Amino acid sequence: QVQLVQSGAEVRKPGSSVTVSCKVSGGTFGYSGISWVRQAPGQGLEWMGALIPAFDTTTYAEEFQGRLTLSADESTRTAYMELRSLRSGDTAVYYCARDRGAADGFDYWGQGTLVTVSS
Amino acid sequence: SYELTQPPSLSVSPGQTINITCFGEKMGEKYVCWYQQRPGRSPVLVIYKDTHRPSGISERISGSNSENTATLTISGTQATDEADYYCQVWDSGTVVFGGGTKLTVL
Repeated sequence: QVQLVQSGAEVRKPGSSVTVSCKVSGGTFGYSGISWVRQAPGQGLEWMGALIPAFDTTTYAEEFQGRLTLSADESTRTAYMELRSLRSGDTAVYYCARDRGAADGFDYWGQGTLVTVSS
Repeated sequence: SYELTQPPSLSVSPGQTINITCFGEKMGEKYVCWYQQRPGRSPVLVIYKDTHRPSGISERISGSNSENTATLTISGTQATDEADYYCQVWDSGTVVFGGGTKLTVL
């Protein structure tokens, strides 16, 4: 059984950065992608980017280019999402999801991590 | 950039069939996935590769994709189907989600 367990809620000030972790248990880690998706309060899903740990390849949504870094530690089966230069509009629940590619979608999701950006 | 358009909200009576549409240019040339998100919960994959149901997803849920429109169909709607539904595709190396449809079971 595949499970993705994310780190806990965070509160940050504008201009600072946040890192959210996503520990994967079960299944194979490395050759499946990990995508990050966020959801602002009362809003829809927004894809941020994806990482394939085994190939160290990343793809970022244009909106986040330059202030988002996705990484992973295969030894601990943990993926990380770092978002910098935070602003109030980044307040959202952030999800990691196992990404099986264009045809097969995101089949397992983490429980979500609320990041609140407030002065 | 590529856009997916869904109706913001739909309502259905218990036991009836509902179709949730997702419009995108040349949609039929892409693989479509659908997600169900109940309030306060993480999204759940309910359809992948246009028409395939993951293990554990009700047979009442089905999908289709043709030309410019993908459709998620829920038959024999139950109260537990009340949720937000999102379509999703890959386009030019990035993921695109539709805006979501809030389904209310009256």
